[in-house]
Amino acid sequence: DGGITQSPKYLFRKEGQNVTLSCEQNLNHDAMYWYRQDPGQGLRLIYYSQIVNDFQKGDIAEGYSVSREKKESFPLTVTSAQKNPTAFYLCASMRGLAGNNEQFFGPGTRLTVL
Amino acid sequence: LAKTTQPISMDSYEGQEVNITCSHNNIATNDYITWYQQFPSQGPRFIIQGYKTKVTNEVASLFIPADRKSSTLSLPRVSLSDTAVYYCLVGDGNTNAGKSTFGDGTTLTVKP
Repeated sequence: DGGITQSPKYLFRKEGQNVTLSCEQNLNHDAMYWYRQDPGQGLRLIYYSQIVNDFQKGDIAEGYSVSREKKESFPLTVTSAQKNPTAFYLCASMRGLAGNNEQFFGPGTRLTVL
Repeated sequence: LAKTTQPISMDSYEGQEVNITCSHNNIATNDYITWYQQFPSQGPRFIIQGYKTKVTNEVASLFIPADRKSSTLSLPRVSLSDTAVYYCLVGDGNTNAGKSTFGDGTTLTVKP
């Protein structure tokens, strides 16, 4: 089955700790994205990558970091600099680079800071 | 990136047709219009995409007037399972687009 996976589904973290969220796709898509969603709100773009070893900041990149060492993987690290990290995190991928392609989303990771 | 404006919420009843309108006044020539559906605690999923006039698939229709400054997602004969948040996105059809902006979407509640 082709698809996009995220792990873990639920993640708990103590304040001051860094944590890495996994995102893997076997769709051979070029572009990958990370979004954050707070309760009752829409998706906000954190980072996106259009090609291996390259990525761009989205609208709310502060306190987050990413890497794109392989085409199929785009992990997100939530650092201790992110002041309010509790949220639902969604990863997506897209076949091409143009806006007339659809994004495929993973099931999400719900991060809670204790 | 073209900014989109949608109603925050809508209510409907089972069996009715629902039309959700999205305003995108500064849409560019190369922009496509895409709609997504999201259920609670899940990732959004693609519903339909169009550039102009009318597009129809097995779940919805998308109406785009000639000036393309708005679009309307039409859901025929909704059921309770259509209760979800619906997002309208406008993205560049050329390369080097990549970045998409989701607004807050429209929360559709279908009642029995």
